[in-house]
Amino acid sequence: DAGVIQSPRHEVTEMGQEVTLRCKPISGHNSLFWYRQTMMRGLELLIYFNNNVPIDDSGMPEDRFSAKMPNASFSTLKIQPSEPRDSAVYFCASSSGGGARRTDTQYFGPGTRLTVL
Amino acid sequence: GENVEQHPSTLSVQEGDSAVIKCTYSDSASNYFPWYKQELGKRPQLIIDIRSNVGEKKDQRIAVTLNKTAKHFSLHITETQPEDSAVYFCAAGSQMNYGGSQGNLIFGKGTKLSVKP
Repeated sequence: DAGVIQSPRHEVTEMGQEVTLRCKPISGHNSLFWYRQTMMRGLELLIYFNNNVPIDDSGMPEDRFSAKMPNASFSTLKIQPSEPRDSAVYFCASSSGGGARRTDTQYFGPGTRLTVL
Repeated sequence: GENVEQHPSTLSVQEGDSAVIKCTYSDSASNYFPWYKQELGKRPQLIIDIRSNVGEKKDQRIAVTLNKTAKHFSLHITETQPEDSAVYFCAAGSQMNYGGSQGNLIFGKGTKLSVKP
């Protein structure tokens, strides 16, 4: 299993530009989570999906952030326009749940380090 | 909503000593408690987890205890080694009922463990 895949691994952009982060969850997992990690705030949940449906987006900081999950194997997190305070490591995680294999273990991707200048 | 408090924020021990990290949670419905280890520049990785029907679980040098009445759980690392140095996160989650789908995890702020050789 390839694990959770994220791209790009590093992104450097200028303030005002659009940023799109991508995630491919583990095959067969039906829940996907987007986190942001900074020294000041720690690990913050931004949004999570179950069966491609957004369940809780209360962690999305503001309207500049949006996330989609068009199918079970792909999700995007978009920031438009980006600001320097968005600089952080963004993690995607996936887990399986429901049915006979109920588990809440989340498996994290390698993260995308975003720097907004 | 759920709130998870983690202590201490930093912990320094001598190689061979034991390390204990404690977490408390607020939501009595929480029934799943994983611990993640994050090495510098890497993703959080699950090291051990416990469910609410169990009071203790061990895996070699790592153990987790759960006190549901007091709503706290702890990570114990015995015979610490320099490679145990990392940030450790506790988390709490519940099996929310969205047509069989699962809920999210609430993470503590993390404990930076340093093991001195």
